[in-house]
Parts: sequence; structure tokens; C-alpha cells
Amino acid sequence: GAVVSQHPSWVICKSGTSVKIECRSLDFQATTMFWYRQFPKQSLMLMATSNEGSKATYEQGVEKDKFLINHASLTLSTLTVTSAHPEDSSFYICSARSGEGGRPSRNEQFFGPGTRLTVL
Amino acid sequence: AQKITQTQPGMFVQEKEAVTLDCTYDTSDQSYGLFWYKQPSSGEMIFLIYQGSYDEQNATEGRYSLNFQKARKSANLVISASQLGDSAMYFCAMRSGTYKYIFGTGTRLKVLA
Repeated sequence: GAVVSQHPSWVICKSGTSVKIECRSLDFQATTMFWYRQFPKQSLMLMATSNEGSKATYEQGVEKDKFLINHASLTLSTLTVTSAHPEDSSFYICSARSGEGGRPSRNEQFFGPGTRLTVL
Repeated sequence: AQKITQTQPGMFVQEKEAVTLDCTYDTSDQSYGLFWYKQPSSGEMIFLIYQGSYDEQNATEGRYSLNFQKARKSANLVISASQLGDSAMYFCAMRSGTYKYIFGTGTRLKVLA
């Protein structure tokens, strides 16, 4: 299957600082990338959908000014957590979608390994 | 509204036994896809198996099979011959309409030696 990487794999920062997380599709062009947040012992919650060259679409309740998403190329999307606070500590996972087909299929979306953010 | 329900927060199974993890879904779309993922403690999401709404046969991938009952809107995962390495969190997910995935709350499986 296709490979999606995330960097960094973990980060610890002080409250009030900003943190950037990168999501890269290594061997395919991703028309769409998704960002999820997962709190301990909980499910993945979709935060936003980003398409290359356009503004991200945020899910209800997600602050777009706090979680800045940039999808500058077909292989790179970044999530910046601005002015991070302890409640932003979480596991952030990206996924990348290949292809333009409308019907669901087996090989359509690939997940990165995740980034664990701890805000002190 | 689209929804995925996993009613088993935790399951135990004896090594080498089979186990079924339940998943029910709700969607008004005719075309949709159902996925199962395994998430070990490392956090990575490992794709296990996929079932399309138009697929007539139940999906199988090695020791994993999907018991797809469309009329009942259920897509249960069956793991045969459980191994200690199968201990992990398992998520059922659905994609319909848009490209977004909706995840269930997950089932934590513990395989006992």
C-alpha cells in the first residue's frame, strides 16, 4: 500500500507556543488529506479536510484559527496548533486520499503513523 | 444521519480461538464502504479489511473475514485463530457520500495465552 509519513512522531512543548505537524504522501499524489485527533482511549475524530491549493474545511466545533491547515502541494499538508494549551495534548493522525473516483474502494485512503503532542 | 456503532468496549479471547467484533452502521446512501482497522499501542492505524456495499461476497483477508449483513446493517469482523499479537484496539469505519470516514468508538481486544 501507499505510504504516508508524519513528522514529528512526538513533540513536547510549553503552553503558548505553536507546533507544526507535517503529513506527507511519499509515493503518491494526495488530492485530499484529512486530519484527525484522538484522545486517550477514544476514537478518531475528524478535525478537517484539506484539498491541495484550497482552504481546509473544518468540522463543527473545531477552531480554524487555532488549528491552521495548509495543503501546499499534492504531497504535503501541515497542521499548526497555535498557542497550544494542555487541553490540546492529543494524538494527531493524518490520512491521505489518492485518486478521484467517487465510489468507495479498498485502496483509497492511507493513514500516517500519528504525532503525539504533549503541551506542558 | 451517518453513524457507526461498536457496542463492545472490550473483549477477551483465548489464543487460537476465533472472535467476533461487532459493528453496525447507519446510512441512507446506496453506495458506501466499510473498513476495519487495528490500532496497536503504537497508535498507527493498520488497515485490515474492506467491504463495499455492492460486494456480494463477504470480504476475507487471511485470518480476517467480514460478516456483512446488509439488511441488518451490520459488518462484524471475525478473527480466526487469534494470536497474542492481535491484542489491540479495533475500529470499524464507514465512508459514504463524501470522502470522510466515520469511526466507531472501538473495541479493545485482549488475547489470552
